[in-house]
Amino acid sequence: GAGVSQSPSNKVTEKGKDVELRCDPISGHTALYWYRQRLGQGLEFLIYFQGNSAPDKSGLPSDRFSAERTGESVSTLTIQRTQQEDSAVYLCASSLFEGGETQYFGPGTRLLVL
Amino acid sequence: AQSVSQHNHHVILSEAASLELGCNYSYGGTVNLFWYVQYPGQHLQLLLKYFSGDPLVKGIKGFEAEFIKSKFSFNLRKPSVQWSDTAEYFCAVNGGSSASKIIFGSGTRLSIRP
Repeated sequence: GAGVSQSPSNKVTEKGKDVELRCDPISGHTALYWYRQRLGQGLEFLIYFQGNSAPDKSGLPSDRFSAERTGESVSTLTIQRTQQEDSAVYLCASSLFEGGETQYFGPGTRLLVL
Repeated sequence: AQSVSQHNHHVILSEAASLELGCNYSYGGTVNLFWYVQYPGQHLQLLLKYFSGDPLVKGIKGFEAEFIKSKFSFNLRKPSVQWSDTAEYFCAVNGGSSASKIIFGSGTRLSIRP
């Protein structure tokens, strides 16, 4: 596709349930990033992939959060046993290479945990 | 650890006014600097970036930013704003030990009165 796509666009779940968020990066982009944006706040870095490896997981807030990437393409962010404080917009971005390359953002997944 | 500060959370201007949004970062080594913009209902997109060379960087839609190394600043400017510049603006930096990820500021919401 022409840009980064994310699904679902909106997700409402009950506290304690698991959710899976998907990101399709721009074809050929080797680097993929996940961010979280809480209401009224800036972007919070979660994790980054170079190819299928995740050299930097420093931003994952707890062990309930995990992510994987396969085929140097699609990535999924999984949140287990969701909590209300997980409610946020989850943004995915990709770039041609890692480091200071321009990141292209997807539309985000808006997650609401009731 | 690297950090990015955007001191103005919400700026309200009239059309044709001049704009300057502040951005300061904490890292002292070689950095790459970015301004991203998010128009209402749209994805985050790159406005301009500085990697090296001329510290005055021109971006899209008449925006520019000046890198002042001694002040650790990368302020965004536009001589005459338009109603269509209403958006959220994010400053971001990467470099050094965090070369593989970009750290974002908390954002500045710009509202332009027609």
